Formats: sequence, structure tokens, C-alpha cells
Amino acid sequence: GDSVTQMEGPVTLSEEAFLTINCTYTATGYPSLFWYVQYPGEGLQLLLKATKADDKGSNKGFEATYRKETTSFHLEKGSVQVSDSAVYFCALSEVGKYSGAGSYQLTFGKGTKLSVIP
Amino acid sequence: KAGVTQTPRYLIKTRGQQVTLSCSPISGHRSVSWYQQTPGQGLQFLFEYFSETQRNKGNFPGRFSGRQFSNSRSEMNVSTLELGDSALYLCASSRVGGTEAFFGQGTRLTVV
Repeated sequence: GDSVTQMEGPVTLSEEAFLTINCTYTATGYPSLFWYVQYPGEGLQLLLKATKADDKGSNKGFEATYRKETTSFHLEKGSVQVSDSAVYFCALSEVGKYSGAGSYQLTFGKGTKLSVIP
Repeated sequence: KAGVTQTPRYLIKTRGQQVTLSCSPISGHRSVSWYQQTPGQGLQFLFEYFSETQRNKGNFPGRFSGRQFSNSRSEMNVSTLELGDSALYLCASSRVGGTEAFFGQGTRLTVV
């Protein structure tokens, strides 16, 4: 079945450092890929997405490129801030794969906790 | 536009009891999914509803059930609660043809 593997961390960086969180996936079809972020005590917020190979998703200085040849979707940011401290989840979906047209299910990685220190 | 709303935010229940959680999706979204988040297992898919029909179900026992109403609001029910059911339960909604899901803040269930 589908699966997502991401570096589990925790990752601790100094402010303004470069961030990379690795994510690789296994899927039988052509999934859409996502990064979600979770702040303490909160639900998940969609950070960025890519729906086909070579697409680059970007938001708030974060970027990730859908690499079909390496089945990867690594998250990067050039200069992290203290406010970026959170847990980051890589996820995929294959709409319509399960039980019928349009059915929607996300498969998540285990999450990577990022702490940014001043 | 209002986001996904889950109620209540926190619940404390005793083993053996049952609990009902509620989710109101973003206006116009007709697909509602539920996920369980625990430190050990991470985020696991429970089920998905569309137009009042369960389209997909994860690998959870029959004690976990759900339903969706004609206004797309959804509820999930857990019967005969066990300590291991303590978790953050997240609801997400999607629009028809959409590629992403939007999550609520979750309901934190503690079973004692």
C-alpha cells in the first residue's frame, strides 16, 4: 500500500539557518503530495502542495518539488524563524483509489518536530 | 469563510463509556474525513463520508463509527471506550474535485 517516510527528528536549528526535511513516498499511481504543519495544541494546516511531477509547491518561504524519479518531496526553507517551530508532516493522497471515484484519503509520515532557537 | 469546526475541543471519559464527536466542514465541502492522532501510531485514517455515505474506512474496530448529515456535518462515535482510544481526533473536509483537505483543530479525547 501507499506509504510516506520522513526524517523523524527532532531537528533543532538556530534562527536564520537552512532547513531541509526529507520525505520519500511509495504509491502505485500518481499521488498528490502535501506538507502540513501542526503547532502545539492545534490541528493541521496545509503548508504547500504539488499535484504532478516536477511541480514546485511554495508558501511562506517554504518550498518542495515533486520528484517522481526519486519519489521524493523534500521540504526546504532558506532562513528559519523561531515562529517556524512546529511539527511538519509529509502526506500523499490518491483521489479515487479507494472505494470509488472521488474518495479521499491522506497517508501521512510520522512527522518531524522542528525547534528553532534564537 | 469559516474553517472546519470541531466540537468539543476537549473530552474526558471513563473506560466503557461511549462518546460522540462533531465536525462541521467548510461551507460547500461535501467530503468529510476523520483521523486519529496518537504519539505511538501517528496520524491514522478512520473513515470518509460523502453525501451521507461512507466511501472509505480505515483499519479500526467496529467500535468506531460515523455518519454524515444532509448538510454535510459529520459525527463520529466511539463505543465501549478503552484507554488506548485516548487521542487527538481530527476532522478534515474537501470539496468535490479538490486535491487537498482542510483540517479542524481537533478534539482531544482522554479516557481514564
